[in-house]
Amino acid sequence: GQNIDQPTEMTATEGAIVQINCTYQTSGFNGLFWYQQHAGEAPTFLSYNVLDGLEEKGRFSSFLSRSKGYSYLLLKELQMKDSASYLCAAMDSNYQLIWGAGTKLIIKP
Amino acid sequence: GAVVSQHPSRVICKSGTSVKIECRSLDFQATTMFWYRQFPKQSLMLMATSNEGSKATYEQGVEKDKFLINHASLTLSTLTVTSAHPEDSSFYICSAVNREFSYNEQFFGPGTRLTVL
Repeated sequence: GQNIDQPTEMTATEGAIVQINCTYQTSGFNGLFWYQQHAGEAPTFLSYNVLDGLEEKGRFSSFLSRSKGYSYLLLKELQMKDSASYLCAAMDSNYQLIWGAGTKLIIKP
Repeated sequence: GAVVSQHPSRVICKSGTSVKIECRSLDFQATTMFWYRQFPKQSLMLMATSNEGSKATYEQGVEKDKFLINHASLTLSTLTVTSAHPEDSSFYICSAVNREFSYNEQFFGPGTRLTVL
């Protein structure tokens, strides 16, 4: 079956670094997406990885290992506004997104 | 570019009534639109995939006669919740695929909060 696993909740301190892990199992693979979702709002796109390696975009970076079925989202210099849920989603061979349950990130001052 | 709108953003209705939610791609043609439902503290659940000009494909467990989806043009899809009941109260989100991009990124609408009394 198809499955996405990510931690339910994480806590970090303002200014610090946090890594949110995601493991996936899909029928075929067409890329791994990370989305940010604030409470009561729709998800917003953060990153897309289809090749192995690290993609850096400002304070956010995303890593993919296709052989391990593993990805992580790295957030640096955490700000209070980064408090949100972070959704990992893998695209299968039918170009359909398989969603994780999301990781709620709590930032403390 | 790649903006998706939803209307209404919030709706409260009585049990037994029908509610229509519109999803529009404002600056691109969306050959495929997706409808999701999200309950509090849960992830997105795909309800159906809507291709322009053809019938929607519903996920297992989603009643197609209750959740009517129409995708009559490349910029508009509608979801009608028929005879809504309190258990249908949820956050409904649409997304659209822009085929001009190579990786089929889904662009999300802002969501519609449905409350059925």
